[in-house]
Amino acid sequence: EPEVTQTPSHQVTQMGQEVILRCVPISNHLYFYWYRQILGQKVEFLVSFYNNEISEKSEIFDDQFSVERPDGSNFTLKIRSTKLEDSAMYFCASSADGMRYEQYFGPGTRLTVT
Amino acid sequence: QKEVEQDPGPLSVPEGAIVSLNCTYSNSAFQYFMWYRQYSRKGPELLMYTYSSGNKEDGRFTAQVDKSSKYISLFIRDSQPSDSATYLCATTTQGGSEKLVFGKGTKLTVNP
Repeated sequence: EPEVTQTPSHQVTQMGQEVILRCVPISNHLYFYWYRQILGQKVEFLVSFYNNEISEKSEIFDDQFSVERPDGSNFTLKIRSTKLEDSAMYFCASSADGMRYEQYFGPGTRLTVT
Repeated sequence: QKEVEQDPGPLSVPEGAIVSLNCTYSNSAFQYFMWYRQYSRKGPELLMYTYSSGNKEDGRFTAQVDKSSKYISLFIRDSQPSDSATYLCATTTQGGSEKLVFGKGTKLTVNP
């Protein structure tokens, strides 16, 4: 069964450093998303991406965040200058054309900022 | 008012029990309603979704939406220890926004 994969599973970084979180969405999906979950809190939407551009972003997704689809399979989230409060689980998700509500999530990357 | 509210539990039941998990929401524009299961430190796994009001059944799981009261439910029949997880409700509008709005999740333990 096709699935969303994410690397790394755990990333530790120092405050102020840049991190790139990587995702491989399900191969025939066209919509891609990033969500995050701070420990003990709700899963929160960050950004959606379609046709090589951002289609929607939340107020959390400020100028320190960016997304890219560098090739036909990868989808990345870059955090330019990490802050302590960026520590969270980051989930990538994807969905098929015409079924944007049916989003399939990856296993997540746990980001720890020290 | 929070968009989606969900009792975090924890909820503990004996094996074989019928489990009822519930959420309420505030935005009447929400049209799609999803249930995800999340094991500890893993990604949410889509269990099922419904559109607008009504019931949907998939094996031991039944999802129910009552738009008049803005209330969504997931019932698990003949619960198993492997059902032990956190269950997240999520919703989104039709067209327009693509973001899923999640509840906080209910932690369920099914005891053998």
